[in-house]
Amino acid sequence: QQQVKQSPQSLIVQKGGISIINCAYENTAFDYFPWYQQFPGKGPALLIAIRPDVSEKKEGRFTISFNKSAKQFSLHIMDSQPGDSATYFCAANLMDSSYKLIFGSGTRLLVRP
Amino acid sequence: KAGVTQTPRYLIKTRGQQVTLSCSPISGHRSVSWYQQTPGQGLQFLFEYFSETQRNKGNFPGRFSGRQFSNSRSEMNVSTLELGDSALYLCASSQGLVQETQYFGPGTRLLVL
Repeated sequence: QQQVKQSPQSLIVQKGGISIINCAYENTAFDYFPWYQQFPGKGPALLIAIRPDVSEKKEGRFTISFNKSAKQFSLHIMDSQPGDSATYFCAANLMDSSYKLIFGSGTRLLVRP
Repeated sequence: KAGVTQTPRYLIKTRGQQVTLSCSPISGHRSVSWYQQTPGQGLQFLFEYFSETQRNKGNFPGRFSGRQFSNSRSEMNVSTLELGDSALYLCASSQGLVQETQYFGPGTRLLVL
């Protein structure tokens, strides 16, 4: 019940294209869903986060779409750039709680020039 | 503001030994979380400390322990090291509420031989 399933494992996109990464969760108590970006040799960095009371949140080229009934959420990277090449992790947590982020398995994104 | 710092950055130990890793959070941050990152298991939550108290704990054996000092610096200890403990250990800090950004350090890479 604590799992967050992430797909695809890897993704290759041409520069300017749209990158889409999907996640699904089981625990309906989760109510905070962040996405992290990790470059080699660095720790993860928060990209964008959403709560289930909204269906979409956009920050620059990054958009989270959230489907509460399906228990799924996805990250869309518009106009993907080579500098976006990194590993992306979705995660879930309870808002009214302490930190216990449950991470997805990660997606390695490569944006070709 | 300086970011989250972790020491040492790299460490080689042998089976059966114990190890202590250190994390200095961003100034003013009272929450420190620890995560283990491996290629096979991904990012897994170890524990979180807030104002010197453990607020949450992941599903790791008792060989993994931690503590937080009054200046919010934190240490984690792994006793009786096993080969499977080889991993990148990440520390993250925040002011304390889940919806606030959690900033990760660069990690300590532990190799157990």
